Amino acid sequence: KAGVTQTPRYLIKTRGQQVTLSCSPISGHRSVSWYQQTPGQGLQFLFEYFSETQRNKGNFPGRFSGRQFSNSRSEMNVSTLELGDSALYLCASSVGFSSYNEQFFGPGTRLTVL
Amino acid sequence: SQKIEQNSEALNIQEGKTATLTCNYTNYSPAYLQWYRQDPGRGPVFLLLIRENEKEKRKERLKVTFDTTLKQSLFHITASQPADSATYLCALITGTASKLTFGTGTRLQVTL
Repeated sequence: KAGVTQTPRYLIKTRGQQVTLSCSPISGHRSVSWYQQTPGQGLQFLFEYFSETQRNKGNFPGRFSGRQFSNSRSEMNVSTLELGDSALYLCASSVGFSSYNEQFFGPGTRLTVL
Repeated sequence: SQKIEQNSEALNIQEGKTATLTCNYTNYSPAYLQWYRQDPGRGPVFLLLIRENEKEKRKERLKVTFDTTLKQSLFHITASQPADSATYLCALITGTASKLTFGTGTRLQVTL
């Protein structure tokens, strides 16, 4: 069974630009969660989607948004990039809600904002 | 405020010994707690999930305990090997808010 895939793996943007990251979950998984990981803050929850609906959201500004498609694939968008948005963005999929199920993480997208 | 604390300093142990990692939390009443392993440059890998009504859970050389009175979980790796060297993260789920909150992780280094 193929694992969680994320594209692109690396991205360099400049301040003020916007970026879209993509995540393909494991086949049959309906939940996709997004996390931001930085050396200072660790792994922080962004949001979770289940069957195309946002189920939960972390404490991030409205510049961070996401969506999930009917095939469970998910995208995350960050608008008006700031230097502090430089991070590893991870997505994870699970069969059911992430709270109660094993999550499978992708390799991440390394975003650098210059 | 709600906090999850893991030993921020690296834990160095000798091969063959038991490694014990700690996860302490405050102001949470988690119904579930998960442990993950993360290698540099890679996403976390799920290891174990323990429920609040379970005191202990085992999987091969891994053992997790969950003490809701002390608000603490201990993660043990017996007969540790250099391949166990990684960062270990605990994550809490509460019964009402369903999002997963991660600790900052403890880096384990197993030497020969």
